Amino acid sequence: QVQLVESGGGLVKPGGSLRLSCAVSAFTFSDYYMSWIRQPPGKGLEWVSYISTTSSHIKYADSVKGRFTVSRDNAKYTLYLQMTSLRAEDTAMYYCARYDSNGYYELDFWGQGTLVTVSS
Amino acid sequence: ELVLTQSPGTLSLSPGERATLSCRASQTVSSTYLAWYQQKPGQAPRLLIYGASNRATGVPDRFSGSGSGADFTLTISGLEPEDFAVYYCQQSGSTFGPGTKVDIK
Repeated sequence: QVQLVESGGGLVKPGGSLRLSCAVSAFTFSDYYMSWIRQPPGKGLEWVSYISTTSSHIKYADSVKGRFTVSRDNAKYTLYLQMTSLRAEDTAMYYCARYDSNGYYELDFWGQGTLVTVSS
Repeated sequence: ELVLTQSPGTLSLSPGERATLSCRASQTVSSTYLAWYQQKPGQAPRLLIYGASNRATGVPDRFSGSGSGADFTLTISGLEPEDFAVYYCQQSGSTFGPGTKVDIK
């Protein structure tokens, strides 16, 4: 069955960096757009970024633009999120998710998330 | 900038009752790209509805979506115990609404 498994979260100081990974399986990774979504503790969902199949199209939320970089390695079936200049407000559960390929732009499969805590 | 507003913030209902959740966009949007998700505590969100009215695979038919323009609705025809959760709408694969919590009355 389709699986997405995030890793790389943890405790980091303000101004620090962290790289998240999302390893996927049971589908042809290179055929799908992918996304990162985050959720601060006790709050709602916030879309962070998406990346197209060949990495030619990338978009970020204004809140992370210039600080976060999304990338993918289709040979390794892995999605990444490089986070720099981290702030307290970046503290959240970070989910990776797959966009369905049917043209409706919904996120049909999600990982279980990795927690990022930014604190001194 | 598109903003999605969901109402009510919390809906307190009993099992078996009908739940009607609203998602309103700050401008006219395409119903093709309107999705609904369910999230239970400690779990990742789960896709329920895409294209405003299409149920995702495995979603029970008590869940239905409707709407167009700027107003969309998720209806749960008869609440089961497992339906008490938070529901989010999303437009164009990015913007999320703030969510509606459906809790047990």
